[in-house]
Amino acid sequence: DGGITQSPKYLFRKEGQNVTLSCEQNLNHDAMYWYRQDPGQGLRLIYYSQIVNDFQKGDIAEGYSVSREKKESFPLTVTSAQKNPTAFYLCASSSPGQSNTEAFFGQGTRLTVV
Amino acid sequence: AQSVAQPEDQVNVAEGNPLTVKCTYSVSGNPYLFWYVQYPNRGLQFLLKYITGDNLVKGSYGFEAEFNKSQTSFHLKKPSALVSDSALYFCAVKPPGGGNKLTFGTGTQLKVEL
Repeated sequence: DGGITQSPKYLFRKEGQNVTLSCEQNLNHDAMYWYRQDPGQGLRLIYYSQIVNDFQKGDIAEGYSVSREKKESFPLTVTSAQKNPTAFYLCASSSPGQSNTEAFFGQGTRLTVV
Repeated sequence: AQSVAQPEDQVNVAEGNPLTVKCTYSVSGNPYLFWYVQYPNRGLQFLLKYITGDNLVKGSYGFEAEFNKSQTSFHLKKPSALVSDSALYFCAVKPPGGGNKLTFGTGTQLKVEL
């Protein structure tokens, strides 16, 4: 069953803690993305990676970090430097090369700071 | 820089009536355009895309979209709405000629009532 798996579905974080959101895909896609969704603001790009061991900052990268050590995995760490981390986080992947291919999304992780 | 505008936060329509969800874009050159749908607390599902060719694109669940280059628009349409179409709809654009950065609009909440 191919697709993108995000875990956990719900995550609670205390202020000052770092947390890591998992994203795994078995679609053999080279490109992977992290988006943040807030009500009324649509999806904003945090980081994206077009190939293993390479990634670029998106529009709102401050307070976040990523790694891309394996093709299948693109974990996102929300650091204590992110001042307003409560949001819905979405991971996506797409085929490389041609930008006319659509992205496939995971089911999301809802992060809440308590 | 590329951008997408969805001018309506919410669209209400009666079941059985036609629906339109508006999208305009700003990008240099010929864009790749996408529509996605999101149900509550879920990831995004791909509906349809425009790459080139026929300006009327048909997609999943009876949806279609019309690309209008002169008006820089890509409105989503369906001839007869269903209550089950109620969801959040996102328009997105990718730059032509390479690159995988997908930019989203702020989303339009569609509510179909009996």
